[in-house]
Amino acid sequence: AQKVTQAQTEISVVEKEDVTLDCVYETRDTTYYLFWYKQPPSGELVFLIRRNSFDEQNEISGRYSWNFQKSTSSFNFTITASQVVDSAVYFCALSEANNNNDMRFGAGTRLTVKP
Amino acid sequence: EAQVTQNPRYLITVTGKKLTVTCSQNMNHEYMSWYRQDPGLGLRQIYYSMNVEVTDKGDVPEGYKVSRKEKRNFPLILESPSPNQTSLYFCASSPGQGANTGELFFGEGSRLTVL
Repeated sequence: AQKVTQAQTEISVVEKEDVTLDCVYETRDTTYYLFWYKQPPSGELVFLIRRNSFDEQNEISGRYSWNFQKSTSSFNFTITASQVVDSAVYFCALSEANNNNDMRFGAGTRLTVKP
Repeated sequence: EAQVTQNPRYLITVTGKKLTVTCSQNMNHEYMSWYRQDPGLGLRQIYYSMNVEVTDKGDVPEGYKVSRKEKRNFPLILESPSPNQTSLYFCASSPGQGANTGELFFGEGSRLTVL
């Protein structure tokens, strides 16, 4: 069965620090998709990235970067030079190609960036 | 503007009083789903729908019903709410045939309290 673990419940950093949010997943499928979503204090869920299992290239988008490593079943998210506006709950999610009705979310990591 | 709209956004009710949370999307998406968000548990899928008149259970369907009579609408029905259904509910839609074909577009959430 598919499972996503975000071991870090809460992280607190000071503005301009770099921070990495960990995501470890479990799946028996060879084809699957990984996602990150952001939930700011206002409560909405914002899509950040979708990555398929055949694409292990790291992705960079501005201050955000993602490190996908199949060998360790991890899809970690790094924010460089964090800002107060990055404060949010971040969710990692997994969906298997053979079970595309289901997206399994981790418990989330609450990031607080202090000025 | 492309969006998923949920109503009500906030509701306090009492045990046993039937209620419906509406969800409507204007993006002509075939796939829609309902999630509940609880502290420490992330988002868990309640029901999903692949298309009109096609619905199925997710991970936590007990105590809920859904219907999909029109492509744009996917209401969540609590026939006899209980306190353990106090939660934050999200409706989502996705282009394509499933949860992983693209990003999930989420509604703003409906916070339900059952006394």
